[in-house]
Amino acid sequence: GQNIDQPTEMTATEGAIVQINCTYQTSGFNGLFWYQQHAGEAPTFLSYNVLDGLEEKGRFSSFLSRSKGYSYLLLKELQMKDSASYLCAVRDTNAGKSTFGDGTTLTVKP
Amino acid sequence: GAVVSQHPSRVICKSGTSVKIECRSLDFQATTMFWYRQFPKKSLMLMATSNEGSKATYEQGVEKDKFLINHASLTLSTLTVTSAHPEDSSFYICSARSTVQKWEQFFGPGTRLTVL
Repeated sequence: GQNIDQPTEMTATEGAIVQINCTYQTSGFNGLFWYQQHAGEAPTFLSYNVLDGLEEKGRFSSFLSRSKGYSYLLLKELQMKDSASYLCAVRDTNAGKSTFGDGTTLTVKP
Repeated sequence: GAVVSQHPSRVICKSGTSVKIECRSLDFQATTMFWYRQFPKKSLMLMATSNEGSKATYEQGVEKDKFLINHASLTLSTLTVTSAHPEDSSFYICSARSTVQKWEQFFGPGTRLTVL
C-alpha cells in the first residue's frame, strides 16, 4: 500500500518562496505527481518526477529522492492566485493507479 | 491539451434514486479512466479503475453494486450511483490516462452530487 504525508496548512507572503514537502512509503513506485487544486475545482497537473533530482518549470520546481521517499514542491515569486491546495500523489507499479496525500492548503498573504 | 469532460457538473436527487455521471475524453483515447471521490477539505480517494472493454477494479471498501462503472468505449466511462443516500453526497472526479502519454492523468472538472 501507499502512505503519503504532507503538511496540512502553510502560509506565505506574496513574492516569497515556499517549499511544500511530501514523504511517502510505498510498496511500489512509478512516479510522483504534484497537482494544484482550487476549491470546488478538479486538480490540475503541475509536475511529474520519476527519477531523482530537480525538475524546473517556470515558477514551480519539484524535487524527488527515491531512496529517502521524499519530494518537495517549490513555488517562487508567490502570487495571490497560488493560494490553493497542493496534492502529492504517488503512482504504484501495478495498475498504474495513483494514491493522493491529503493535500497542503497554501494561503498567500499580501 | 488533453480535455476531459464530466456531465452533469451538479446534480441534486432524492434519496433512493440512481444518478449517472459521464466522463469523456474529448480529444484523446483513454484505455484507463479512474473515478475518485472527494470530501470537503480532504484529498481524492480512488474508488475504482475503469478499463475499456473489461470490468472495473474497485478499491477496498467500495461497493461494486452501489457504484456501477461502465467503460464502453475509449472515450467514455460512466459511474452510476444506485439507490443514492445522503451519505453519498460528495464531489466525484474522473481522470483519464492517454493511450500515448501513459504517465499523465487528465482530470475532469468534477460532479457535485447532493442527495436529499
